[in-house]
Amino acid sequence: DAGVTQSPTHLIKTRGQQVTLRCSPKSGHDTVSWYQQALGQGPQFIFQYYEEEERQRGNFPDRFSGHQFPNYSSELNVNALLLGDSALYLCASSLFDRGVDQPQHFGDGTRLSIL
Amino acid sequence: RKEVEQDPGPFNVPEGATVAFNCTYSNSASQSFFWYRQDCRKEPKLLMSVYSSGNEDGRFTAQLNRASQYISLLIRDSKLSDSATYLCVVFEDSGYALNFGKGTSLLVTP
Repeated sequence: DAGVTQSPTHLIKTRGQQVTLRCSPKSGHDTVSWYQQALGQGPQFIFQYYEEEERQRGNFPDRFSGHQFPNYSSELNVNALLLGDSALYLCASSLFDRGVDQPQHFGDGTRLSIL
Repeated sequence: RKEVEQDPGPFNVPEGATVAFNCTYSNSASQSFFWYRQDCRKEPKLLMSVYSSGNEDGRFTAQLNRASQYISLLIRDSKLSDSATYLCVVFEDSGYALNFGKGTSLLVTP
């Protein structure tokens, strides 16, 4: 039973560039959430996708965008990269169950470094 | 004020010790709570859910006090392998996003 998989594992970019991170949810899950974790901090919610729509968004600028595909996989895109975007980007998947908060399961993350 | 606040740590304890972590949350409408464990440079992993009645999983006990908006995690008979960062997590009342505390670092020494 494959867990949440993310690619790539590491990425180095320069300021102003654009990046795309990818996530495949755990088998049987239909919801994908993205988080940013800076060094020494807890993960911060970026947004969540369900049924190919952005369902909720955290306090992140429009430079951060995403997509969910019919097979439930997801992409996170970040434009005009800033030094402050250097972080571990985590994808989490869950199964949407109305009325019950399902715990989210995380992938290994993509470590993004901006030079 | 941050929505989820945890003991700053780090906690350095000897093997076999009992250690307790505390966490407070600000949104009284929150309904679901979890403890996650994160090893260095790894992803957070679900340790346990936290229920109003309290729950236990082996050496780990989690408690929730809704009136005080307070969550705790107790680890008994600490093992070297318990060394990690423990993240207190609260589901937003929308039920979609997880709010994480900053984490408390635990180091169990021989």
